[in-house]
Amino acid sequence: EPEVTQTPSHQVTQMGQEVILRCVPISNHLYFYWYRQILGQKVEFLVSFYNNEISEKSEIFDDQFSVERPDGSNFTLKIRSTKLEDSAMYFCAHADANIQYFGAGTRLSVL
Amino acid sequence: GQQLNQSPQSMFIQEGEDVSMNCTSSSIFNTWLWYKQDPGEGPVLLIALYKAGELTSNGRLTAQFGITRKDSFLNISASIPSDVGIYFCAGQVPSGSARQLTFGSGTQLTVLP
Repeated sequence: EPEVTQTPSHQVTQMGQEVILRCVPISNHLYFYWYRQILGQKVEFLVSFYNNEISEKSEIFDDQFSVERPDGSNFTLKIRSTKLEDSAMYFCAHADANIQYFGAGTRLSVL
Repeated sequence: GQQLNQSPQSMFIQEGEDVSMNCTSSSIFNTWLWYKQDPGEGPVLLIALYKAGELTSNGRLTAQFGITRKDSFLNISASIPSDVGIYFCAGQVPSGSARQLTFGSGTQLTVLP
């Protein structure tokens, strides 16, 4: 299974601070996604990214969130002003045809 | 949005027993996927199903894509301790160029020695 690398593995931040979560893509994959999993709950879709632009986003993905591939390599998720309820595991996924492969996730803790 | 109902929520079984879990939806999905998640890790794909009625095996795992395209089940035969984890079903509906997954709420599997 192709490996998706996410950094950092754990991010601790103060409420109101900006955080950037990073994902190292697989070069020949075209579709990128971010998902969120609040502790003990199911995985929820945030946003999909194709051809360097957002394809779809969920209602969770509000104006505090943004995604980009700044240098054509890393795929990032930025949360502008974190809230306590943003504490969760954030998973990056890449798709090859119909299969999405997930990274190990970044655990975000907002204090 | 689309919702997946996954059951059971948790299972405690003896090593060597078979396990079955399922997902249902009020909406049609074009693809059903089953993932396993270990603590602190991301979901790992177990089986992908693409056609209604399809039955697919991967070692001790067997999954089926329901005829109505609104349900799927996963069976694990002869369970072993490393089967412990959370199992998620996920449905996929192509939508333009995006193929977001809708996840079930998960089945927590515990295998007792």
